Amino acid sequence: GQNIDQPTEMTATEGAIVQINCTYQTSGFNGLFWYQQHAGEAPTFLSYNVLDGLEEKGRFSSFLSRSKGYSYLLLKELQMKDSASYLCAVRDSNYQLIWGAGTKLIIKP
Amino acid sequence: DSGVTQTPKHLITATGQRVTLRCSPRSGDLSVYWYQQSLDQGLQFLIQYYNGEERAKGNILERFSAQQFPDLHSELNLSSLELGDSALYFCASSVGTGSSYEQYFGPGTRLTVT
Repeated sequence: GQNIDQPTEMTATEGAIVQINCTYQTSGFNGLFWYQQHAGEAPTFLSYNVLDGLEEKGRFSSFLSRSKGYSYLLLKELQMKDSASYLCAVRDSNYQLIWGAGTKLIIKP
Repeated sequence: DSGVTQTPKHLITATGQRVTLRCSPRSGDLSVYWYQQSLDQGLQFLIQYYNGEERAKGNILERFSAQQFPDLHSELNLSSLELGDSALYFCASSVGTGSSYEQYFGPGTRLTVT
């Protein structure tokens, strides 16, 4: 079957760095997405990786290793507004998005 | 603002009833997706339409149905509602179905079944 694993919850301190991991087992691979979702709100797109390596976008970076079925989202200089759930999603061989359950990130002052 | 609109924002109804949720995709987007998100749960993919045709089906119950109209707006119909159907229902749209196309989500419809 298809599976995406992320930690359920993580806690970090304002100003620090946090890495949220995502491992996947899917039928085929056509890209990996990270989304941010604040409680009760719609998910918003953060990043897209299809080739191995690191993609940097301001305070957020996303890394992909296709051979290991692994990705991480790195958030630097954490701010209180970064408290949210972070969703990992993989596009499979049928171009369907398979979603992880999300990681709830709690930022403490 | 993602450009995807959903109505209504909130809906409260009783068990056994039927409701219709509406979604208008971003201008130019041909693909529409419907998701269900129960409290503190992940996104559950329900169904996808592309340019009026059903493209993919996820964990959609037989009591639920959807369609996409010629103007590309979409409706999700939920019937014989049960308490467990209470959830946030999101609609998302994308330009196409290629690998790099991200989905843009609407604000959601919060359904409460009493």
